[in-house]
Amino acid sequence: DAGVTQSPTHLIKTRGQHVTLRCSPISGHKSVSWYQQVLGQGPQFIFQYYEKEERGRGNFPDRFSARQFPNYSSELNVNALLLGDSALYLCASSPTDTMPTEAFFGQGTRLTVV
Amino acid sequence: QKEVEQNSGPLSVPEGAIASLNCTYSDRGSQSFFWYRQYSGKSPELIMSIYSNGDKEDGRFTAQLNKASQYVSLLIRDSQPSDSATYLCAERDSNYQLIWGAGTKLIIKP
Repeated sequence: DAGVTQSPTHLIKTRGQHVTLRCSPISGHKSVSWYQQVLGQGPQFIFQYYEKEERGRGNFPDRFSARQFPNYSSELNVNALLLGDSALYLCASSPTDTMPTEAFFGQGTRLTVV
Repeated sequence: QKEVEQNSGPLSVPEGAIASLNCTYSDRGSQSFFWYRQYSGKSPELIMSIYSNGDKEDGRFTAQLNKASQYVSLLIRDSQPSDSATYLCAERDSNYQLIWGAGTKLIIKP
């Protein structure tokens, strides 16, 4: 039974470039959330999507965007990369968006901006 | 501003002893709480979830929730070196978003 899968696992980008991160949720899960985790801190909520609609957005600039596809997979896009965007980007899936259900994480994408 | 507070540690516990991790939260509307374990460089792994006041036990782990005092704790019995990790507390708030603490680093000494 496949868990949450994220790609790529590691990425190095230059300031000013853009990046696309991908996530496939657990089969049957319709909600996908994205988090940014800077070294030494807890994850920070970026977006939540359910049934292709944005259900929540954290305190991140408009350079961050995301979408969810009909198969419930998701992409996180970050434009005009800054050094401070270097972090572990986590994708989590859960069955629904409104029940107090558990969220399961993928292995993360380690983004380094140089 | 919704906040989840944890002592960053490190918390050092002898092997075989009980490790006690604590977390407080500010949002009284929070409905559910989670403890995740995170090894260095890896993603968080769900350990326990708790939704009601009281204790919930799962093997060597016990989660405790006190909504009146707005704290949640995790006890790890018979601590093993493999339990050494950062433990993250998270709440799902009234908007169903996960709010995280910064984590407590736990070190189990053989």
